[in-house]
Amino acid sequence: AQSVTQLDSHVSVSEGTPVLLRCNYSSSYSPSLFWYVQHPNKGLQLLLKYTSAATLVKGINGFEAEFKKSETSFHLTKPSAHMSDAAEYFCVVRGLAGTALIFGKGTTLSVSS
Amino acid sequence: DTAVSQTPKYLVTQMGNDKSIKCEQNLGHDTMYWYKQDSKKFLKIMFSYNNKELIINETVPNRFSPKSPDKAHLNLHINSLELGDSAVYFCASSQTLGQPNEKLFFGSGTQLSVL
Repeated sequence: AQSVTQLDSHVSVSEGTPVLLRCNYSSSYSPSLFWYVQHPNKGLQLLLKYTSAATLVKGINGFEAEFKKSETSFHLTKPSAHMSDAAEYFCVVRGLAGTALIFGKGTTLSVSS
Repeated sequence: DTAVSQTPKYLVTQMGNDKSIKCEQNLGHDTMYWYKQDSKKFLKIMFSYNNKELIINETVPNRFSPKSPDKAHLNLHINSLELGDSAVYFCASSQTLGQPNEKLFFGSGTQLSVL
């Protein structure tokens, strides 16, 4: 079975400092991994996805994530936080083709000036 | 143009009522989904339809009945609403259900409050 664990329910950073949102996954198969972002009162938007082509994945808005099989991790990073990055972030896994996405419980990112 | 639109955005109703949430996508996608996000922000798949055919049906009370009149629409009807049904419901679509790396496009959500 597939699952993801987001290790922090809340992360607070100052504007201009690095962001690290941690995610560990569990999958019996070679997984596809995603990060989605949800801004307040908005739907979810895909930030980036890993599909085994490259272990370092670049997404929108300066975010990137690195797939580390040995650590079963897919942490999301950004070198410099912006106020507009404040949102809820979801790590997501899909295993077999044809199965639904499995969402983590989310990490709330707060950015202070 | 909004890719995935769902209505209404907010829905406040009494226990025991029957209500529907509508979803439409104009992306030409074959697959549509309903997800439920509870008060703790946890998102869980409820249903998935591929070309109007039910593909995924998670453990959801049979008071919830999805209906797909065509592949661009997936409506969610809820009978005998209960307090625990209060949540945000998200509709989503994707090109196909078959590809592991497919991207989902989400609607902006319907916040359902059952009083």
